Amino acid sequence: QKEVEQNSGPLSVPEGAIASLNCTYSDRGSQSFFWYRQYSGKSPELIMFIYSNGDKEDGRFTAQLNKASQYVSLLIRDSQPSDSATYLCAVIRSGGGADGLTFGKGTHLIIQP
Amino acid sequence: DARVTQTPRHKVTEMGQEVTMRCQPILGHNTVFWYRQTMMQGLELLAYFRNRAPLDDSGMPKDRFSAEMPDATLATLKIQPSEPRDSAVYFCASGLGSSGNTIYFGEGSWLTVV
Repeated sequence: QKEVEQNSGPLSVPEGAIASLNCTYSDRGSQSFFWYRQYSGKSPELIMFIYSNGDKEDGRFTAQLNKASQYVSLLIRDSQPSDSATYLCAVIRSGGGADGLTFGKGTHLIIQP
Repeated sequence: DARVTQTPRHKVTEMGQEVTMRCQPILGHNTVFWYRQTMMQGLELLAYFRNRAPLDDSGMPKDRFSAEMPDATLATLKIQPSEPRDSAVYFCASGLGSSGNTIYFGEGSWLTVV
């Protein structure tokens, strides 16, 4: 079982709709959760992070965390063609010095004009 | 504009040759990560340093890969000898302590081994 799992997609969403991206993780002791956006040929860019159960909103983005279900999601409201990219979910696992980011393989999102 | 700087941006080399990739972290960041990205495996953590000390290199093939941080402004990743399966994008990232929300990635070094 991969430590961080995402549906690879592609996920196709019409412009203006809500895009919903999901991620599950296996280490129940994981403490911190991140969403990165990566355009083709570019480096990952941090767009959201969440540490506590519940929702966290930043502009058109909402991150949701459910530690009991080991589930993280990212909602993008009013999707724009510029949101078309690969979205990477990442976690920082529990202590012991292993605090590098562990990434899922990403979900390819396509926003259809 | 603070950013992580990586060199070279692109490298094509022959199998068996030595490859050295360099990274200048963001000024003031004390944690440096090396990641490798391939289509098959995604982003994999190879090694990371805090205050120039190696903390974890368990993701790195020890027989051919080595990572060092000779000073606070330079991290290096060396492959010797290189193999075609090493072809990938190598990203350096830097951050503050263990705060994940401070981690920023460089533009990557695109390596092709033929």
